[in-house]
Amino acid sequence: DAKTTQPTSMDCAEGRAANLPCNHSTISGNEYVYWYRQIHSQGPQYIIHGLKNNETNEMASLIITEDRKSSTLILPHATLRDTAVYYCIVSDAGNMLTFGGGTRLMVKP
Amino acid sequence: NAGVTQTPKFQVLKTGQSMTLQCAQDMNHNSMYWYRQDPGMGLRLIYYSASEGTTDKGEVPNGYNVSRLNKREFSLRLESAAPSQTSVYFCASSEERGAWGYTFGSGTRLTVV
Repeated sequence: DAKTTQPTSMDCAEGRAANLPCNHSTISGNEYVYWYRQIHSQGPQYIIHGLKNNETNEMASLIITEDRKSSTLILPHATLRDTAVYYCIVSDAGNMLTFGGGTRLMVKP
Repeated sequence: NAGVTQTPKFQVLKTGQSMTLQCAQDMNHNSMYWYRQDPGMGLRLIYYSASEGTTDKGEVPNGYNVSRLNKREFSLRLESAAPSQTSVYFCASSEERGAWGYTFGSGTRLTVV
């Protein structure tokens, strides 16, 4: 059973914020939300993760709802190089990464 | 540059042939993983090694064997390749067993004919 639900694809204009949603309504208390992305043909790249507080790093921001049933990854100023498949993953700290289908983000000029 | 190095990058095998995919990391990570990715699909875990000297099966281990040669190296062996094993294989490492901070290699594209 899928732990997360993401839209199959999204478009974003270059320079605008890209907001990628993820539903994880069955998340348990000790499970984190992780985001990875995979640029065409390359290995996935870690972006960010969080438990219940919002998180920000040099790549992105992660907003987790208070009930933790959904989250949004925000790329504040998307560039063409952000075109990739973005994976939202829910897992506790000791478990492996399990990838679903992800969201294919296309950043357009 | 620090990271995960996979060899070879491309390989074509005939059905029934064997080969070993090599993976090495230079970040002093304890845990290493092998994934496969079929066209248009997400990655699936084949085997992992939580620490030097240990290996465990993942989601799709059948047809594969692994060796954690030392802390740096984790190899994946196909004893008798089948067309169903045509895929892109990714090796990854992380400081500890768990889901964050994985570093992936650039992949090995394997075709079995």
